Amino acid sequence: EAEVAQSPRYKITEKSQAVAFWCDPISGHATLYWYRQILGQGPELLVQFQDESVVDDSQLPKDRFSAERLKGVDSTLKIQPAELGDSAMYLCASSSPKDRQETQYFGPGTRLLVL
Amino acid sequence: AQSVTQLDSQVPVFEEAPVELRCNYSSSVSVYLFWYVQYPNQGLQLLLKYLSGSTLVKGINGFEAEFNKSQTSFHLRKPSVHISDTAEYFCAVSDMAGNTPLVFGKGTRLSVIA
Repeated sequence: EAEVAQSPRYKITEKSQAVAFWCDPISGHATLYWYRQILGQGPELLVQFQDESVVDDSQLPKDRFSAERLKGVDSTLKIQPAELGDSAMYLCASSSPKDRQETQYFGPGTRLLVL
Repeated sequence: AQSVTQLDSQVPVFEEAPVELRCNYSSSVSVYLFWYVQYPNQGLQLLLKYLSGSTLVKGINGFEAEFNKSQTSFHLRKPSVHISDTAEYFCAVSDMAGNTPLVFGKGTRLSVIA
């Protein structure tokens, strides 16, 4: 069964450093989402892509966060500089506009700890 | 805009007992409804979803949920829980425009006690 891949699974960094997370969606899925999940909370959308275009980045803190999906396949989320409050689980999900079942498939996540 | 309220942050239950996890939502438009499960340090796995049709939805691992439009609720139930059901459960909604972001509740921690 196809899965969403994410790496790394865990990342520890010091504040003010740069970090990057990678996501490879299910093959053929044109829509890709990055969510942030703070401990004890539900995931919240950071950015949504349709192919290589950003559909919604209204909740992305653009002074320090950036996201790209250059070829409309895999995606990278970057934080520079990292702050203590960025410690969270970063989840990637993908879906297909052709799938009328409206299902988003989630990767295993990257757990970030900023010291 | 939509919002989701999961009424219980933690639910302890004995093994083989029934359980209900409550979810209420608010939206000015019609929505799709979902329940996801998250095991420690893992991503989210879809349990079940309501898109249309029968208001009683059956999912994986013996879970089911009932959509109640008048009460704007989508409660999750299982008649007999197992130790392996211990996890975090999230209720989520999306609007019907298609491929729109999910709005999640804060989650309910289900702890099954032997």
